[in-house]
Formats: sequence, C-alpha cells, structure tokens
Amino acid sequence: DAGVIQSPRHEVTEMGQEVTLRCKPISGHDYLFWYRQTMMRGLELLIYFNNNVPIDDSGMPEDRFSAKMPNASFSTLKIQPSEPRDSAVYFCASSPQDSYEQYFGPGTRLTVT
Amino acid sequence: AQSVTQLDSQVPVFEEAPVELRCNYSSSVSVYLFWYVQYPNQGLQLLLKYLSGSTLVKGINGFEAEFNKSQTSFHLRKPSVHISDTAEYFCAVSAWGSNYKLTFGKGTLLTVNP
Repeated sequence: DAGVIQSPRHEVTEMGQEVTLRCKPISGHDYLFWYRQTMMRGLELLIYFNNNVPIDDSGMPEDRFSAKMPNASFSTLKIQPSEPRDSAVYFCASSPQDSYEQYFGPGTRLTVT
Repeated sequence: AQSVTQLDSQVPVFEEAPVELRCNYSSSVSVYLFWYVQYPNQGLQLLLKYLSGSTLVKGINGFEAEFNKSQTSFHLRKPSVHISDTAEYFCAVSAWGSNYKLTFGKGTLLTVNP
C-alpha cells in the first residue's frame, strides 16, 4: 500500500485566499484524522471521521475551517479566508476499525503571507 | 479530559549511550498509551503502544517503555542509541471510550551526536 497520501506537500498563499488540502487514506481504513502542528501548540487534532461521517470537530479553530469526506478514499480540509496564523504543517492520518494505531501522511506545509 | 506532559523538550546524547525520554499523563479514566517518532520532514509513525497486559512494552528499533500507573508515567528507553535515532518523539494517550482519539504531548527532540 502507498500509505496515506497528502497533497500538496507545500503551499504558499497570500492572506485572504482559499486553501484546500487533500488526503487519501489507506484503503480499508475506517477512521480519518486531520491534525495541525505548530511550534507553539504542538500537534492538535482538528477533526476526525468514521466511515466518512464527522465524529468530532471540536478542534476546528473557527468557521474559516471546514472539512469534508465525500467518500472512503478522499478528504479535504479547506481554509477560507486564510490568515498568517494558519501557517503550520497539516497532517492527515487514518486507522482501521478497532485499532489505536494511526498511520500518518507526510503532511502539507502551509505558509500564509 | 486527558493531558500529556513530556518533561524534556530536547535531549542531546552521544552515540551508544542510553537514553530515557520522560512522559507523564493525566486522565480521569483509564488510558491507552503510545509513543510515536517523527523524522525530519516526515509524518509520525508508531514506535510502541500499551493497551493492556505486561507493563513493559517493546517496540521497533530497540525502544521499550514501561507503564507505571501509580506514577502516571510512560517513559521511553533505549540502552544504546544510534545517529539514526535522531528525531522528535511524541507521547500520546487515548482515554477509554474516547473513540480512538489521541492527545499528544509537545514532543522531545532527541539529538544523537557522534
């Protein structure tokens, strides 16, 4: 298996622009997690899905952030409008049912200028 | 709610020396415990996990950790480190009934010097 795939790997955008991050989980995994990593706050869980249904979005910072999972093999995290404080590395992870092992993608490094 | 404290943000050691990375947790319910490793410019990967049974858990790359319930700790150890062990190490907890959510510590950067 190719592992969790994220795109793009790097994104540089200007404040106010819309940003869409993409994730393809490992085939057969039922859970998908979106995390944000910064030096100040460490690794934060933003939202996670089970069988394409959002279970907990309490970590989403504000209404500018939204996430979708239209099918079992694809998820997006959208920021609109983006702000400089959104600059971070965003990770997607997936896990099988009844497992606590999460498999992480390589991350997307977002820079908002 | 649960929280994780990694007591050292950076740990420098010499090659072939032993190392211990400390992790303490707080939770009102029982927890499962994990250590993940992140190499530069990569995602995290699981080193080891404690779900139940023996409190001494062995993982990949020669690492092991011991669950101490009375001290609410889950310290990671390796008897002899290599240059290739240089990475950031994250301790994480998942509370029983939390539906597989993980709460991560801030991480410890292990730097192995020749």
